[in-house]
Amino acid sequence: NAGVMQNPRHLVRRRGQEARLRCSPMKGHSHVYWYRQLPEEGLKFMVYLQKENIIDESGMPKERFSAEFPKEGPSILRIQQVVRGDSAAYFCAASSRGPAADYNEQFFGPGTRLTVL
Amino acid sequence: AQKVTQAQTEISVVEKEDVTLDCVYETRDTTYYLFWYKQPPSGELVFLIRRNSFDEQNEISGRYSWNFQKSTSSFNFTITASQVVDSAVYFCALRVVLQGAQKLVFGQGTRLTINP
Repeated sequence: NAGVMQNPRHLVRRRGQEARLRCSPMKGHSHVYWYRQLPEEGLKFMVYLQKENIIDESGMPKERFSAEFPKEGPSILRIQQVVRGDSAAYFCAASSRGPAADYNEQFFGPGTRLTVL
Repeated sequence: AQKVTQAQTEISVVEKEDVTLDCVYETRDTTYYLFWYKQPPSGELVFLIRRNSFDEQNEISGRYSWNFQKSTSSFNFTITASQVVDSAVYFCALRVVLQGAQKLVFGQGTRLTINP
């Protein structure tokens, strides 16, 4: 996992509550990506952020979901008013360079497993 | 469309058998990268290999080998002499770069069960 940290590793919420998932990339990796894995499915891209900027949010649900990557601190994926269908594993990945580079590897964190009761 | 298809949803074999996991991709890019990841029951993603579209040489790493064929847009993964510890879900992925952004597009995954 090359040092990408995610917390919490497991999160339980009741319907209607808010969920905050945190991702701390290793130093020098200022490009962050969030992916969602629904049960028995592959990972689906949600959002790509650089420090203080959202570059691509084409995979984010239109409502209740938001993401940020402030100048200081971790990237946050926020889900408001959670529903049972939000139950999934949420993975964060980080890279040191952007898409203009010939190649940059995305290092994945261990994931946060969200369960909505 | 940029897409990855893993047609095999589940595979079950007996230990020591060889097994091949198929991956077919679609992309309009001339330069692209393909990946394989392993997701064991513990849930984390383990990087296995990255392949550049310019390099069509097959690669072998221990019991693992990969067959990349641009002509058929396939990037298949073979485990030789499978072991119980190989049991996991395996994902093939394609790096997509579009309008200043990038992401990985994953296949649906193949659940591999190795029986003792």
